[in-house]
Amino acid sequence: KAGVTQTPRYLIKTRGQQVTLSCSPISGHRSVSWYQQTPGQGLQFLFEYFSETQRNKGNFPGRFSGRQFSNSRSEMNVSTLELGDSALYLCASSPDRGADTQYFGPGTRLTVL
Amino acid sequence: GEDVEQSLFLSVREGDSSVINCTYTDSSSTYLYWYKQEPGAGLQLLTYIFSNMDMKQDQRLTVLLNKKDKHLSLRIADTQTGDSAIYFCAESKSSGYSTLTFGKGTMLLVSP
Repeated sequence: KAGVTQTPRYLIKTRGQQVTLSCSPISGHRSVSWYQQTPGQGLQFLFEYFSETQRNKGNFPGRFSGRQFSNSRSEMNVSTLELGDSALYLCASSPDRGADTQYFGPGTRLTVL
Repeated sequence: GEDVEQSLFLSVREGDSSVINCTYTDSSSTYLYWYKQEPGAGLQLLTYIFSNMDMKQDQRLTVLLNKKDKHLSLRIADTQTGDSAIYFCAESKSSGYSTLTFGKGTMLLVSP
């Protein structure tokens, strides 16, 4: 089985722009979660989607949004980028809701200039 | 609270055992995980333990859980240079949501 894939792997944007990141979960997995990793704050939960519905959301501003499609693929969007949004964005998939084991993708490295 | 704490750095010699420790504060945690992250890579799931277990062994890895003290440890036997990485402890709850709360990570450096 192919693992979690994320595209693009690297991205450079400037302040004020917006960005869309994509995540394809492991085949058969229906839950997708997003995390932000920075040196200062570590790994922080952004949101989780299951069956095209956002089930849980972390403590991030409304500039961060996401969605999930019927094939379980997910996208996250960050609008009006700030320098502090520079981070590694990790996507994780799990078979179902709840405390299922999550498998992570390689991440998208976003740099905001 | 939901903090997960880990020591930041551990240095061992190749062939020795490594023990990485973690403490958590949320007694309702259901699953506890260990993930490994190598430079420039995502998180690799190493092992996990359900909260009603005390110990889990998987090849070179041994996880010990002391639920009373909310203490979790990961022991790596016969540590190799390829084990050098950052190790993250994480917890989740059976609340219906797949949300992990992570520690800041322990950097393990294995010297030849």
